[in-house]
Amino acid sequence: EAQVTQNPRYLITVTGKKLTVTCSQNMNHEYMSWYRQDPGLGLRQIYYSMNVEVTDKGDVPEGYKVSRKEKRNFPLILESPSPNQTSLYFCASSRDTGTRRHFGNGTRLTVT
Amino acid sequence: GQQVMQIPQYQHVQEGEDFTTYCNSSTTLSNIQWYKQRPGGHPVFLIQLVKSGEVKKQKRLTFQFGEAKKNSSLHITATQTTDVGTYFCAGQGSTDKLIFGTGTRLQVFP
Repeated sequence: EAQVTQNPRYLITVTGKKLTVTCSQNMNHEYMSWYRQDPGLGLRQIYYSMNVEVTDKGDVPEGYKVSRKEKRNFPLILESPSPNQTSLYFCASSRDTGTRRHFGNGTRLTVT
Repeated sequence: GQQVMQIPQYQHVQEGEDFTTYCNSSTTLSNIQWYKQRPGGHPVFLIQLVKSGEVKKQKRLTFQFGEAKKNSSLHITATQTTDVGTYFCAGQGSTDKLIFGTGTRLQVFP
Protein backbone atom coordinates (compact mmCIF):
# COMPACT_ATOMS: atom_id res chain seq x y z
CA GLU A 1 0.00 0.00 0.00
CA ALA A 2 1.32 3.44 -0.97
CA GLN A 3 1.88 5.43 2.17
CA VAL A 4 3.84 7.95 4.17
CA THR A 5 4.77 6.66 7.61
CA GLN A 6 5.54 9.00 10.46
CA ASN A 7 6.69 8.10 13.95
CA PRO A 8 5.90 8.62 16.70
CA ARG A 9 2.21 9.66 16.63
CA TYR A 10 2.45 11.38 19.98
CA LEU A 11 5.48 12.77 21.78
CA ILE A 12 5.79 14.66 25.05
CA THR A 13 9.21 16.01 25.88
CA VAL A 14 10.95 18.70 27.88
CA THR A 15 12.67 21.86 26.74
CA GLY A 16 16.13 21.26 25.34
CA LYS A 17 15.96 17.49 24.90
CA LYS A 18 16.88 16.63 21.32
CA LEU A 19 14.32 14.62 19.38
CA THR A 20 13.80 13.17 15.92
CA VAL A 21 10.53 12.53 14.12
CA THR A 22 10.93 9.97 11.38
CA CYS A 23 9.21 9.99 8.00
CA SER A 24 9.37 7.33 5.32
CA GLN A 25 7.56 6.95 1.99
CA ASN A 26 7.31 3.88 -0.25
CA MET A 27 6.22 5.61 -3.47
CA ASN A 28 9.68 6.51 -4.80
CA HIS A 29 8.73 10.18 -4.62
CA GLU A 30 11.33 12.83 -5.34
CA TYR A 31 9.76 15.57 -3.24
CA MET A 32 9.28 15.46 0.53
CA SER A 33 8.37 18.16 3.01
CA TRP A 34 7.51 18.88 6.62
CA TYR A 35 4.63 21.03 7.82
CA ARG A 36 3.41 22.19 11.16
CA GLN A 37 -0.25 22.80 11.81
CA ASP A 38 -1.40 25.30 14.41
CA PRO A 39 -4.96 26.53 15.08
CA GLY A 40 -5.89 29.41 12.81
CA LEU A 41 -2.61 29.25 10.90
CA GLY A 42 -3.21 26.34 8.58
CA LEU A 43 -0.27 24.26 7.36
CA ARG A 44 3.08 26.01 7.27
CA GLN A 45 6.06 24.48 5.56
CA ILE A 46 9.15 23.93 7.67
CA TYR A 47 11.62 22.32 5.25
CA TYR A 48 11.43 20.55 1.95
CA SER A 49 13.62 18.33 -0.19
CA MET A 50 13.50 18.02 -3.95
CA ASN A 51 15.83 15.02 -4.06
CA VAL A 52 18.46 13.11 -2.14
CA GLU A 53 20.97 15.42 -0.45
CA VAL A 54 18.95 18.49 -1.54
CA THR A 55 17.07 20.30 1.21
CA ASP A 56 15.81 23.84 1.57
CA LYS A 57 14.06 26.05 4.09
CA GLY A 58 10.34 26.55 4.02
CA ASP A 59 8.46 29.37 5.72
CA VAL A 60 9.16 28.48 9.37
CA PRO A 61 12.55 26.68 9.52
CA GLU A 62 13.93 28.17 12.76
CA GLY A 63 14.69 25.54 15.37
CA TYR A 64 14.47 22.60 12.97
CA LYS A 65 16.88 20.50 10.93
CA VAL A 66 16.30 17.87 8.28
CA SER A 67 18.35 15.45 6.26
CA ARG A 68 17.74 13.44 3.08
CA LYS A 69 20.39 10.77 2.86
CA GLU A 70 18.06 8.30 1.17
CA LYS A 71 15.13 8.92 -1.16
CA ARG A 72 12.57 7.29 1.10
CA ASN A 73 13.46 8.93 4.43
CA PHE A 74 13.19 12.53 5.56
CA PRO A 75 13.61 12.88 9.33
CA LEU A 76 12.81 16.09 11.20
CA ILE A 77 15.24 16.97 13.98
CA LEU A 78 14.67 19.36 16.86
CA GLU A 79 18.08 19.90 18.43
CA SER A 80 16.78 21.91 21.39
CA PRO A 81 12.99 21.91 21.47
CA SER A 82 11.15 24.83 23.00
CA PRO A 83 7.49 25.18 24.07
CA ASN A 84 6.66 27.25 20.97
CA GLN A 85 7.38 24.14 18.91
CA THR A 86 4.40 22.39 20.48
CA SER A 87 2.33 21.60 17.42
CA LEU A 88 0.94 18.97 15.08
CA TYR A 89 3.54 17.95 12.49
CA PHE A 90 2.93 16.37 9.10
CA CYS A 91 5.35 14.86 6.67
CA ALA A 92 4.29 14.80 3.02
CA SER A 93 5.66 13.44 -0.24
CA SER A 94 4.85 13.91 -3.91
CA ARG A 95 6.19 12.82 -7.27
CA ASP A 96 7.35 16.37 -7.93
CA THR A 97 6.63 19.92 -6.76
CA GLY A 98 3.49 20.30 -8.90
CA THR A 99 1.62 17.15 -7.97
CA ARG A 100 -0.57 16.14 -5.08
CA ARG A 101 0.88 15.74 -1.62
CA HIS A 102 0.54 12.46 0.26
CA PHE A 103 0.51 13.13 3.99
CA GLY A 104 1.58 11.00 6.90
CA ASN A 105 -0.72 10.49 9.88
CA GLY A 106 0.88 13.28 11.86
CA THR A 107 2.92 13.64 15.05
CA ARG A 108 1.49 15.58 17.93
CA LEU A 109 4.41 17.08 19.82
CA THR A 110 4.18 18.71 23.24
CA VAL A 111 7.22 20.49 24.67
CA THR A 112 6.99 21.43 28.34
CA GLY B 1 5.52 36.87 -0.65
CA GLN B 2 2.70 34.73 -1.90
CA GLN B 3 -0.26 34.46 0.46
CA VAL B 4 -3.38 32.32 0.28
CA MET B 5 -6.40 33.44 2.29
CA GLN B 6 -9.38 31.24 2.92
CA ILE B 7 -12.83 32.16 4.23
CA PRO B 8 -14.79 31.50 6.27
CA GLN B 9 -12.72 30.12 9.10
CA TYR B 10 -15.67 28.15 10.47
CA GLN B 11 -19.05 27.15 9.11
CA HIS B 12 -21.82 25.35 10.92
CA VAL B 13 -24.65 24.03 8.77
CA GLN B 14 -27.71 21.85 9.18
CA GLU B 15 -27.50 18.58 7.33
CA GLY B 16 -28.91 19.09 3.85
CA GLU B 17 -27.81 22.72 3.56
CA ASP B 18 -25.18 23.81 1.07
CA PHE B 19 -21.68 24.94 1.98
CA THR B 20 -19.07 27.03 0.18
CA THR B 21 -15.48 27.91 1.06
CA TYR B 22 -13.47 30.52 -0.82
CA CYS B 23 -9.77 30.80 -1.46
CA ASN B 24 -7.93 33.93 -2.62
CA SER B 25 -4.31 34.29 -3.62
CA SER B 26 -2.24 37.45 -3.65
CA THR B 27 -0.53 36.25 -6.84
CA THR B 28 -1.50 34.36 -9.99
CA LEU B 29 -1.39 30.62 -9.50
CA SER B 30 -0.24 27.87 -11.83
CA ASN B 31 -2.56 25.43 -10.11
CA ILE B 32 -4.65 25.03 -7.00
CA GLN B 33 -5.23 21.91 -4.95
CA TRP B 34 -7.92 21.09 -2.40
CA TYR B 35 -7.55 18.84 0.62
CA LYS B 36 -9.89 17.54 3.30
CA GLN B 37 -8.81 16.79 6.85
CA ARG B 38 -11.20 14.80 9.02
CA PRO B 39 -11.08 15.50 12.77
CA GLY B 40 -7.99 13.82 14.18
CA GLY B 41 -6.80 12.88 10.71
CA HIS B 42 -4.37 14.07 8.09
CA PRO B 43 -5.02 16.16 4.96
CA VAL B 44 -6.21 14.05 2.05
CA PHE B 45 -6.00 15.27 -1.53
CA LEU B 46 -9.33 15.96 -3.24
CA ILE B 47 -8.57 17.61 -6.57
CA GLN B 48 -6.22 19.78 -8.58
CA LEU B 49 -7.33 22.60 -10.90
CA VAL B 50 -4.98 23.93 -13.55
CA LYS B 51 -6.89 25.83 -16.22
CA SER B 52 -8.38 29.31 -15.99
CA GLY B 53 -12.14 29.09 -15.35
CA GLU B 54 -11.98 25.35 -14.77
CA VAL B 55 -14.90 23.65 -13.03
CA LYS B 56 -14.71 20.09 -11.77
CA LYS B 57 -17.28 18.00 -9.95
CA GLN B 58 -16.96 15.07 -7.61
CA LYS B 59 -20.47 13.89 -6.69
CA ARG B 60 -21.83 16.66 -4.43
CA LEU B 61 -18.58 18.68 -4.51
CA THR B 62 -18.00 21.38 -7.14
CA PHE B 63 -14.60 23.02 -7.49
CA GLN B 64 -13.95 26.20 -9.45
CA PHE B 65 -10.79 28.01 -10.48
CA GLY B 66 -11.20 31.70 -11.25
CA GLU B 67 -10.63 33.23 -14.66
CA ALA B 68 -7.66 35.20 -13.37
CA LYS B 69 -6.26 32.10 -11.60
CA LYS B 70 -6.13 33.96 -8.30
CA ASN B 71 -9.17 32.50 -6.59
CA SER B 72 -11.00 29.26 -6.17
CA SER B 73 -14.05 27.85 -4.43
CA LEU B 74 -15.37 24.56 -3.16
CA HIS B 75 -19.12 24.11 -2.99
CA ILE B 76 -20.82 21.17 -1.32
CA THR B 77 -24.46 20.56 -2.17
CA ALA B 78 -26.76 19.07 0.45
CA THR B 79 -24.16 18.47 3.14
CA GLN B 80 -24.02 15.21 5.05
CA THR B 81 -22.44 14.42 8.41
CA THR B 82 -19.65 12.64 6.54
CA ASP B 83 -18.61 16.04 5.12
CA VAL B 84 -17.42 17.20 8.55
CA GLY B 85 -13.80 18.28 8.58
CA THR B 86 -11.45 21.07 7.60
CA TYR B 87 -11.07 21.94 3.94
CA PHE B 88 -7.79 23.44 2.76
CA CYS B 89 -6.93 25.02 -0.52
CA ALA B 90 -3.28 25.10 -1.56
CA GLY B 91 -2.00 27.33 -4.31
CA GLN B 92 1.16 26.99 -6.32
CA GLY B 93 2.66 30.10 -7.82
CA SER B 94 5.66 30.87 -9.98
CA THR B 95 8.11 29.79 -7.29
CA ASP B 96 6.74 26.21 -7.29
CA LYS B 97 6.00 26.54 -3.60
CA LEU B 98 2.63 25.13 -2.54
CA ILE B 99 1.09 27.55 -0.05
CA PHE B 100 -1.77 26.28 2.06
CA GLY B 101 -4.72 28.41 3.05
CA THR B 102 -5.74 28.62 6.68
CA GLY B 103 -8.61 26.18 6.15
CA THR B 104 -12.37 26.21 6.68
CA ARG B 105 -13.71 23.98 9.41
CA LEU B 106 -17.11 22.56 8.53
CA GLN B 107 -19.48 21.27 11.18
CA VAL B 108 -22.69 19.56 10.07
CA PHE B 109 -25.55 19.14 12.51
CA PRO B 110 -27.93 16.22 11.88
